[in-house]
Amino acid sequence: GAVVSQHPSWVICKSGTSVKIECRSLDFQATTMFWYRQFPKQSLMLMATSNEGSKATYEQGVEKDKFLINHASLTLSTLTVTSAHPEDSSFYICSGHPGLYSYEQYFGPGTRLTVT
Amino acid sequence: GQQVMQIPQYQHVQEGEDFTTYCNSSTTLSNIQWYKQRPGGHPVFLIQLVKSGEVKKQKRLTFQFGEAKKNSSLHITATQTTDVGTYFCAGTIYNFNKFYFGSGTKLNVKP
Repeated sequence: GAVVSQHPSWVICKSGTSVKIECRSLDFQATTMFWYRQFPKQSLMLMATSNEGSKATYEQGVEKDKFLINHASLTLSTLTVTSAHPEDSSFYICSGHPGLYSYEQYFGPGTRLTVT
Repeated sequence: GQQVMQIPQYQHVQEGEDFTTYCNSSTTLSNIQWYKQRPGGHPVFLIQLVKSGEVKKQKRLTFQFGEAKKNSSLHITATQTTDVGTYFCAGTIYNFNKFYFGSGTKLNVKP
C-alpha cells in the first residue's frame, strides 16, 4: 500500500508555544489529506479536510485559528498547533486520499504531542 | 451531526473463537470502510463496501454492508492472536471526501 510519513513522531512543548507537524505522502499524490485527533482508547476524530491549494475545511468545534492547516503541494500537508495548551495534548494522525476513484485512506504513523 | 456507532467497545475471546463487531449509522452511507489499528500503531485499511447488501471475504474475515446501507459488520472466524487490535469502521455520506469513524472495537485474543 501507499506510504504516508509524519514528522515528528513525538514532541513535547511548553504551554503557549506553537508546534508544526508535517504529513507527507511518499509514493502517491494526495489530492486530499485529513487530520485526525485520537485520545487514548478512543476513536479518531476528524479535525479538518485539506485539499491541495485551497483552504482547509474544519469540522464543527475545531478552531481554525488554533489548528492551522496548510496543503501547499500534493505530497505535503502541515498542521500547526498554535499557542498550545495541555488540553491539546493528544495523538494527531494524518491520512492521504489519492483521488476521486480511490476511497482508501493511507494513514501516517501519528504524532504524539505533549504540552507541559 | 453524523454519527457512526460501533459495538461492542471491547471484546475478549479465547483463541479459536469467533468475533463480530457491528457498525451503525444514523444516515444512509455512500460506502463503508474497515480499518485495523494494532496497539501503538496507526489505522490500516482492510476493505471497502459500496453496494447495498454487499458481502466480501478476506480469508477468515467476512464483511457485510446492510441492505439499507446504514449498518455493517465484520466477522472473524477462529480468531488468532495476530487479530489483536482495534477495528474501526468509517463511513462516507454524499460527499465521498469525508469519513466518519466509528468508536472502534478493541479485540483481545487469549492464547
